[in-house]
Amino acid sequence: GAGVSQSPRYKVAKRGQDVALRCDPISGHVSLFWYQQALGQGPEFLTYFQNEAQLDKSGLPSDRFFAERPEGSVSTLKIQRTQQEDSAVYLCASSLTEGFHEQYFGPGTRLTVT
Amino acid sequence: EDKVVQSPLSLVVHEGDTVTLNCSYEVTNFRSLLWYKQEKKAPTFLFMLTSSGIEKKSGRLSSILDKKELFSILNITATQTGDSAVYLCAVKDAGGTSYGKLTFGQGTILTVHP
Repeated sequence: GAGVSQSPRYKVAKRGQDVALRCDPISGHVSLFWYQQALGQGPEFLTYFQNEAQLDKSGLPSDRFFAERPEGSVSTLKIQRTQQEDSAVYLCASSLTEGFHEQYFGPGTRLTVT
Repeated sequence: EDKVVQSPLSLVVHEGDTVTLNCSYEVTNFRSLLWYKQEKKAPTFLFMLTSSGIEKKSGRLSSILDKKELFSILNITATQTGDSAVYLCAVKDAGGTSYGKLTFGQGTILTVHP
């Protein structure tokens, strides 16, 4: 299928390690979003890309979080010096544009920091 | 700050029952309200609502929006065990710098027993 894919699906990191999470959006989708979903909560916005431009990073919880989408397709969310509170599911979503189109979500990466 | 509140937080029913899930919201510049179903993977898109009073329907699921009272409901008739999931409600802000990011509620956990 041509849905949103994410890798890895599961990641266990020791506190202090750096991690990189990958998102492959639906081909041709201009908009890409990252969300963080803690256990028992709804997803919370982290950052938004329009093609390769990161237009909103207001949801990134600290400067340890960094995201990029250098060629306007695949995106990587990097977390440096992971902390236990970073444990969550990280969801990527893409949409045709940011306007009136629905967002399609990937399966997420479950990050556990020990 | 945009806010979405869902109720009930959890619901247990038996197959064949009808359920109504509620979503109330506060948003500065409303663009749309979306419903998603989340099992142990990606949230899957159900409905996007932009206009008041127009019911959207897909099989046993239907949803309606009331922009005056700022709420939406999701109805599921003749529930089946496969309907067991978390149902997420989200709003999209039309503000200039919102870029279509979604603000989610906490979700309603629906459990359907045989």
